[in-house]
Amino acid sequence: SQTIHQWPATLVQPVGSPLSLECTVEGTSNPNLYWYRQAAGRGLQLLFYSVGIGQISSEVPQNLSASRPQDRQFILSSKKLLLSDSGFYLCAWSVKAMRGEKLFFGSGTQLSVL
Amino acid sequence: KQEVTQIPAALSVPEGENLVLNCSFTDSAIYNLQWFRQDPGKGLTSLLLIQSSQREQTSGRLNASLDKSSGRSTLYIAASQPGDSATYLCAVDDYKLSFGAGTTVTVRA
Repeated sequence: SQTIHQWPATLVQPVGSPLSLECTVEGTSNPNLYWYRQAAGRGLQLLFYSVGIGQISSEVPQNLSASRPQDRQFILSSKKLLLSDSGFYLCAWSVKAMRGEKLFFGSGTQLSVL
Repeated sequence: KQEVTQIPAALSVPEGENLVLNCSFTDSAIYNLQWFRQDPGKGLTSLLLIQSSQREQTSGRLNASLDKSSGRSTLYIAASQPGDSATYLCAVDDYKLSFGAGTTVTVRA
């Protein structure tokens, strides 16, 4: 069966420090991968998605970047964190197929930038 | 731009009561609609996915309906239990997923 791992679960970082959040998927190959951010009381905002190694699409301009160095690995990074980067970050994957595939989420990372 | 709205934002019911959660969207040209459950501080778990050609989907005590023409979906949870307490989010897929802000449900024992 497929599983998705996301770490760390919580992170407290000072403003201006770098960030690296990692997500890996097991039990499937060539998945679509996604990074979302969830602000309190609001819907999820798609940050990045990837359809293959080295293929990254950004949905919103921001202080963050994403990379996909391996088929089942997706990394969210920042060189210098801002206060506004605080939030709940979720990694997700879906089967690369016709439209209508389900989305499966990791357990999330609560990031606090102080 | 697709806008997804979930009303009410919060709901509290006694155990055993049926739950009705609403989701509305502005653009009816969708591929599918998904309902998710989120426990506090956790990721989302997919509950039901309704394709655009379908009217409803059922899984156990859960039933989700879709009316594309009116831009509405409803999630019914029969005979609610305290374990159903969570935030329920709907997401509409029209090339990309657009999420509602969710309805937080509390089922009182």
